Order: sequence, then structure tokens, then C-alpha cells
Amino acid sequence: QKEVEQDPGPLSVPEGAIVSLNCTYSNSAFQYFMWYRQYSRKGPELLMYTYSSGNKEDGRFTAQVDKSSKYISLFIRDSQPSDSATYLCAMKENYGQNFVFGPGTRLSVLP
Amino acid sequence: GAVVSQHPSRVICKSGTSVKIECRSLDFQATTMFWYRQFPKQSLMLMATSNEGSKATYEQGVEKDKFLINHASLTLSTLTVTSAHPEDSSFYICSARDFMTGHNTDTQYFGPGTRLTVL
Repeated sequence: QKEVEQDPGPLSVPEGAIVSLNCTYSNSAFQYFMWYRQYSRKGPELLMYTYSSGNKEDGRFTAQVDKSSKYISLFIRDSQPSDSATYLCAMKENYGQNFVFGPGTRLSVLP
Repeated sequence: GAVVSQHPSRVICKSGTSVKIECRSLDFQATTMFWYRQFPKQSLMLMATSNEGSKATYEQGVEKDKFLINHASLTLSTLTVTSAHPEDSSFYICSARDFMTGHNTDTQYFGPGTRLTVL
């Protein structure tokens, strides 16, 4: 079992849809949780960052962390064609320098 | 968010030459920087972790004599691909760790990447 799992997609949705992207993990020591967006031929861009459990909202994006289920989600409301990208989740324990990335989910938002 | 720059964005070189890629954190100090490699439609592959003032830690299978990493200051790390060959052609991405003790902040900011083509 991989340390972080993520549905690779591709996921195609119509413009305006609510998108749910998810990651599951096995390491209960993870405390820092991140979501990145990567456009083709670009470096990943940090979208959302959460420490420990809970929800965080920023504009059309909401990040949720459920540590009891070892499950994190990124919701995108009113999705736009410009949201078409690969979304990566990442996690880290409290100590050390080891960040663990999911393989990424490719999202296409169709106009 | 914090900004990380990377130069050059694209480089084409002949086989056997060396190429240097610079990674700078522009608005924060990064004691730790990471270097990744990414092939088309594949995920990030961590190559090495670089800490300011000390030797880099390379991942298994990454040749440290081929991929020289220097992290001489809190805002600059460089990756030198020595004696480059066509199989080294790839997308190289750096990131800088933003870590503040006691502030529950520990994340990475990525540079825009460097596309290396070795002829």
C-alpha cells in the first residue's frame, strides 16, 4: 500500500460543477496537509494548506481534513475551464523534512 | 504566497556539457530546498534535499556526482547536471521549504521549472 493514494483520473466535469478531489493516507502521524495545482509544463502552485484537522476555505476552494479516516479532500465550487490542471495532495509529519506527495489527479473542466 | 524563481526556464545543450540551474526564494529564507524531476504526465520524483551550508541528501538511484547540488545561502540553491546526456532531458523543478517553528507552518513553494533538452 502506498503511503498516499489519489485517484489519477482523468476527471472531466462540465463548467460550473462542484469538483471533489480526494487523497487517502496510511500514516497517522501526518499533521501538515497541502493541495497543489500544476498546469502543464509549470511548477506546482500551493492552493491550500491545513495544519491538523478541520476545514479551510479560500474563495471557490475548500480543503477538508479528516484525520480519523485518514482522508483529505479539496472541493472546487463553480469550476472553470481555467481549473483544468493536475491536482496534487501532499502531507508531512510534525518533525523531519519528508513531504509525501500523491501521484496527482488530472482534472478537465469542459466549457 | 511566497515566490520561488528558477533560471533558466529552458535550456538546450549538447551532450557532454554541464548545465547549471538556479533556484531562489525571493521573499523568505529557506534553510531547506528540494530538487525534483518530472517526466511527461508523471508525478514529481524527488531527487535530493538540500540544506543550507551542508551536503545535499540524495534519493536512492540519483547519482550525486552527476547532479551536483549547492546550497550556499538561505535564498539560493543550484543544481548542476554534469556531462549531460540525452537521457537527462527532463523537467527539473525546485522548491523551497517555508518553515516557522511555533507557527504551525511547514510547506513547500515551487519554482516554475526548467526544461532541459540534451541533444
